[in-house]
Amino acid sequence: DAGVIQSPRHEVTEMGQEVTLRCKPISGHNSLFWYRQTMMRGLELLIYFNNNVPIDDSGMPEDRFSAKMPNASFSTLKIQPSEPRDSAVYFCASSPDWSSGNTIYFGEGSWLTVV
Amino acid sequence: AQSVTQLGSHVSVSEGALVLLRCNYSSSVPPYLFWYVQYPNQGLQLLLKYTTGATLVKGINGFEAEFKKSETSFHLTKPSAHMSDAAEYFCAVSDDSGTYKYIFGTGTRLKVLA
Repeated sequence: DAGVIQSPRHEVTEMGQEVTLRCKPISGHNSLFWYRQTMMRGLELLIYFNNNVPIDDSGMPEDRFSAKMPNASFSTLKIQPSEPRDSAVYFCASSPDWSSGNTIYFGEGSWLTVV
Repeated sequence: AQSVTQLGSHVSVSEGALVLLRCNYSSSVPPYLFWYVQYPNQGLQLLLKYTTGATLVKGINGFEAEFKKSETSFHLTKPSAHMSDAAEYFCAVSDDSGTYKYIFGTGTRLKVLA
């Protein structure tokens, strides 16, 4: 079975440009998460959705960040405008349903560099 | 509020030696506890988890962890390290308080020496 699929795997962009990261969760999973990983701050939860509805976006760093989930099989994380401090690995993850005991399945990440 | 503390950001062991990675948690309600492993340039994958029941949990690749409520700990062990175990390991906590947030520790990078 296909796991969580993220694209692009790597992106280098210039400061001020818009960046869009994409995610396809595992089929049948109802919960989707966006995490950011940096050396300084570790793994941070940015936002999570349940049944395509954003439940908690308190981890989104600022208004430059936005996330959408238009349907059960697709989500985007957008940064506009991008800044060098946004350079990080962004992980999308999904989970079968709304239960804290469930395993979260991670994608391989999108490595973003903003120059 | 939940929190996770991983003691030691870097741990080195010799091949064949015992692996012990420490994790302590804080939770006001019964926790769910997880260990994830991250290999270079990859996402995190589940090693094992504790939800309810038996406090000694066995996972993949010969790893196991024991939930000790009195010590608020969930340390990860493996009797004999392999070179392939070199990776970063993350402890995480969640609970049924309704927030549905996994809180991850800062990670422990395991180095296995030949």
